[in-house]
Amino acid sequence: DQQVKQNSPSLSVQEGRISILNCDYTNSMFDYFLWYKKYPAEGPTFLISISSIKDKNEDGRFTVFLNKSAKHLSLHIVPSQPGDSAVYFCAAKVQRWGKLQFGAGTQVVVTP
Amino acid sequence: GAVVSQHPSWVICKSGTSVKIECRSLDFQATTMFWYRQFPKQSLMLMATSNEGSKATYEQGVEKDKFLINHASLTLSTLTVTSAHPEDSSFYICSARQGGSYEQYFGPGTRLTVT
Repeated sequence: DQQVKQNSPSLSVQEGRISILNCDYTNSMFDYFLWYKKYPAEGPTFLISISSIKDKNEDGRFTVFLNKSAKHLSLHIVPSQPGDSAVYFCAAKVQRWGKLQFGAGTQVVVTP
Repeated sequence: GAVVSQHPSWVICKSGTSVKIECRSLDFQATTMFWYRQFPKQSLMLMATSNEGSKATYEQGVEKDKFLINHASLTLSTLTVTSAHPEDSSFYICSARQGGSYEQYFGPGTRLTVT
């Protein structure tokens, strides 16, 4: 049972434009959400997170939005750069010390 | 800081043999380590959680006799795939968490191919 879903397997965006990645979840007990970036043959690296008590968190070019009523979160990358080309995983957990549940990932390709 | 390494980065083994994968936290003490498995174009699936000095907790559907996990020290956990079969071919990733912290730091992964 996939509790975290990323329905877009891939996204192509032009350099300098905005990348918007979406993630939906089904478990209302999740209270902490994270985004990870992963290059081929490497482990995921932490990008940004948000607690369920917030609806927005910003860190440089990366902003995560959380809509609890819709059980939906999104990651905005502005402006997109070629180095942003990677697979992005959405993850969620119940409690900060809980187990991470990952989505299937979205492959982002930033074109010149 | 917070570097996690895995060894080997890739391994090919024959069906029926066993293979051991190491996960090390290089600059911190990892009281908890996690082992994940990833199939191509799919999400990371948690296989088991191990706390230093105690038995690993396996997720539902993961065979504990097939995937042996040992977390004997605060910097090392090992995953042994016993009697490997081609369907065990996958990308195995570990992560480590320091006591008192909720952040997980991931290793670079190990590509296992069973022929």
